[in-house]
Amino acid sequence: QSALTQPASVSGSPGQSITISCTGTSSDVGSYNLVSWYQQHPGKAPKLMIYEVTKRPSGVSNRFSGSKSGKTASLTLSGLQAEDEADYYCCSYAGTSAWVFGGGTKLTVL
Amino acid sequence: QVQLVQSGTEVRKPGASVKVSCKASGYSFSSYAIHWIRQAPGQRLEWMGWIDTGNGNTKYSQKFQGRVTITRDTSASTACMELSSLRSEDTAVYYCARDGSRSGYGWFDPWGQGTLVTVSS
Repeated sequence: QSALTQPASVSGSPGQSITISCTGTSSDVGSYNLVSWYQQHPGKAPKLMIYEVTKRPSGVSNRFSGSKSGKTASLTLSGLQAEDEADYYCCSYAGTSAWVFGGGTKLTVL
Repeated sequence: QVQLVQSGTEVRKPGASVKVSCKASGYSFSSYAIHWIRQAPGQRLEWMGWIDTGNGNTKYSQKFQGRVTITRDTSASTACMELSSLRSEDTAVYYCARDGSRSGYGWFDPWGQGTLVTVSS
C-alpha cells in the first residue's frame, strides 16, 4: 500500500484553527471509517488523538476533531496552543488486515 | 493502567537478526491484538504487521514479508517482533502498540516507549 498523502507542514498562530488533510484511495480511507490520528512530539512515542474518523479518546482535548469526505480525512485543531506544536500522522485500515500511515505533517505554532 | 514496555536498544551488523519484546500489563493480553510499527530517523511511521494475541494469527506488510516474524507468549503477556537479514535502512525506532478495538481492526493505543535498533558494520 502507498502512504496516505498529508501536507508536509502547516502553521498557525495561538488561538487560530488549522486543518490537516489526509488523502487516500478507494481501498483505504474511501472504504473504511477506520481513520485515526496521532500526535508525536520529538523523541516521544505517538499518542492517539482521534479514532474511527471522529471519536476522541478520553483525556484528549475537545479542541481536536476529525472528519472524512470520500477519500480525504481531516484533523482540525481549534484554539491553537503552543503545546500543540508536533508532528501529526493519519492512519487508515487498508483491507486484508493491513494498515497504512500518512507521511506526517509538522505543525508549527507561530 | 494499560501499559506496554519494550526491550532496550539494540545494535546489529548487516545480515544479522534482531528480536524486540513488548510486555503488556493492565489488561487481558489475549483480548487485544498487538501491532508493530517502525520509524526511521526523520521519517514517517510505517506499519509492519500485527498478531492476534488470542489465536496467534499474524499478518505482515508486504514490504517486510519473509523478513519479519511476530510471536506472542500469553503466559508472559509479551509479544515479540523479529526482523532478519538486517540492512542499514532498517535502522529505526520500533514500536509496539495495542489495537484499541477488541475486533483487532481499530487503532493504536497505547504505544510502547519504542526500541532503537541500529544496523551498522
